[in-house]
This record gives sequence, structure tokens and C-alpha cells, in this order.
Amino acid sequence: AQSVTQLDSQVPVFEEAPVELRCNYSSSVSVYLFWYVQYPNQGLQLLLKYLSGSTLVKGINGFEAEFNKSQTSFHLRKPSVHISDTAEYFCAVSDPNNAGNMLTFGGGTRLMVKP
Amino acid sequence: DSGVTQTPKHLITATGQRVTLRCSPRSGDLSVYWYQQSLDQGLQFLIQYYNGEERAKGNILERFSAQQFPDLHSELNLSSLELGDSALYFCASSVQGSPGETQYFGPGTRLLVL
Repeated sequence: AQSVTQLDSQVPVFEEAPVELRCNYSSSVSVYLFWYVQYPNQGLQLLLKYLSGSTLVKGINGFEAEFNKSQTSFHLRKPSVHISDTAEYFCAVSDPNNAGNMLTFGGGTRLMVKP
Repeated sequence: DSGVTQTPKHLITATGQRVTLRCSPRSGDLSVYWYQQSLDQGLQFLIQYYNGEERAKGNILERFSAQQFPDLHSELNLSSLELGDSALYFCASSVQGSPGETQYFGPGTRLLVL
């Protein structure tokens, strides 16, 4: 079974500062990895995903993440955050060998950008 | 706007009742997914359909059932409702339902059981 741990439930940061949201996964097989963002009162939107290839993945809104197989991590980074980045961020995994495409989500990290 | 629509947006009902949540996928998507988001359990996968057939099943209670119709819309039926079923229910869709595909999420239906 797969599981995802997001180590920080809340991350406060000042506007224009860099941020890293941490994600670790547990799986005995290869995985696909995703980061989704949920703005207040909205559904989830994909930021980026890792399927294969380059371990550094660039996404929308200036976000990027790095897949580290040895540390089973997929941390999300942004060099300079904006107030509009305030949202909940979810890391998720899926199994490439499954017939379906179910996502297993972490508990979420609330990013709070302060002026 | 993801292109996935869900109705109703809000639903308030009583324990023991039955409700139906509806989802229309993005145009062209053949696969739909249902997720439950609650404070206790976080975001949990419930079930996936592809072109009318069940493809994957997660932590879906026996009191819950779902189906995907020929026009590809899907319904999630929740019966014998309990207080703990209060949650945000998301529908998502993707093209083929294959591993790694991006899932596009609807705005959700917020269910409150009193």
C-alpha cells in the first residue's frame, strides 16, 4: 500500500520569500507523483506531476518539484511567493501498474503568505 | 474552471436520509472519479469509472454506491446517512482513466448531515 506524508500542516511565509513544502511517500513499487493546489472554496488544480525522466519538474505559477528516489521525497518549491499563492497544497501518489488511476493524497499543507 | 460540473453545491439533510450527488465530466473525458474530503480523514479516493464500467474502488462504504451513465455523467448515492458523512465530495475526470493522467476536479458538493 502507498502512503504520503506532508510533514508540515501549515507554512507561514512572507511575500517574495522562497518556500519549500515537503512531501515524503512510502511505496514498495515505482510511483507517479503529483502536487495539487486547492484555493479557498474551490476544487483541486494540478500544479505539476512526475511520471518519468528528469527528476526536476516544472509546473504552473512558478512552482517546481524534485523527485528524489533514494529519499522517497517530492518536495515543492517556489523561489518567490505571492499573496495569491495562499492556499492548501496536496501531494499525491499513484501506482503506474494499477488498472485504475486512483490518487492517494497526503494530509495537505496550508501555505499562508503574509504581506 | 476545470470543465467538471457538480450539483448541488450544498446539501443539508438529516441522519438516516439518502442523497444523490451528480457530476458531469469535461467534454471528451471518459473516466470519472469520486473523492471525499473531511477534516477527520482528509482526501480519500472512493471509486473510479471508465466508460460506464467500474475500474477502481477505494475506501467506499457499503452504504455508498455510484454509477456512470451512457452519457458519461456520474452519480454518487449516499444512503442511511450518518453525522460522520458530512464532508466535501469531489468529482474528477480524465481522458482514459489510465495511470498518470491528470485528473480535473469539480468544485465539489458540500454535504452537511444534521
